[in-house]
Amino acid sequence: DVKVTQSSRYLVKRTGEKVFLECVQDMDHENMFWYRQDPGLGLRLIYFSYDVKMKEKGDIPEGYSVSREKKERFSLILESASTNQTSMYLCASRVTGQGIYNEQFFGPGTRLTVL
Amino acid sequence: KNEVEQSPQNLTAQEGEFITINCSYSVGISALHWLQQHPGGGIVSLFMLSSGKKKHGRLIATINIQEKHSSLHITASHPRDSAVYICAVFFGNEKLTFGTGTRLTIIP
Repeated sequence: DVKVTQSSRYLVKRTGEKVFLECVQDMDHENMFWYRQDPGLGLRLIYFSYDVKMKEKGDIPEGYSVSREKKERFSLILESASTNQTSMYLCASRVTGQGIYNEQFFGPGTRLTVL
Repeated sequence: KNEVEQSPQNLTAQEGEFITINCSYSVGISALHWLQQHPGGGIVSLFMLSSGKKKHGRLIATINIQEKHSSLHITASHPRDSAVYICAVFFGNEKLTFGTGTRLTIIP
């Protein structure tokens, strides 16, 4: 089974702190994604990566950056956390190269609270 | 603009009832995902389909490409089916666009 893990289930940080959210997948997937999920808004794409050291902005990249130094690991960075970044953060991964009809696998989510 | 709409937003039903959740999208798609999210956050893929119908246990997913519409049905619903069900589509690229979800509550 594909497994996508995230470093924390719950995280509480203070305004202005630098926050790292880590995501690891164990199935050699090329594509990895970071989303945030807010009530009434659904999942929104922050950043995604097609391969190591490659990244592209999603729909709401402001205030975030990412790092993909190894294929299995995709990190989301909040350079200076703000209260409006309080949310559920979900990581996902998916294989590519066989067309786009491939299932996307999600991590368990990190509920981040910024005080 | 590529959009995905789900209905209803909330649905409460008695155990045993037949459940239908609907998903409509604005333009042609390559494929559609139905996802399930239980309290606590984890998201599980139920179906991925690009045409026709798929069935897994008590769950059935259908898609009508011409009408740009998909439905998720649950037969003989059970309290453990209580979750948020999310429709997500590929609009011809590598990125999923998500509906806002349908919160289903099944009462014993």
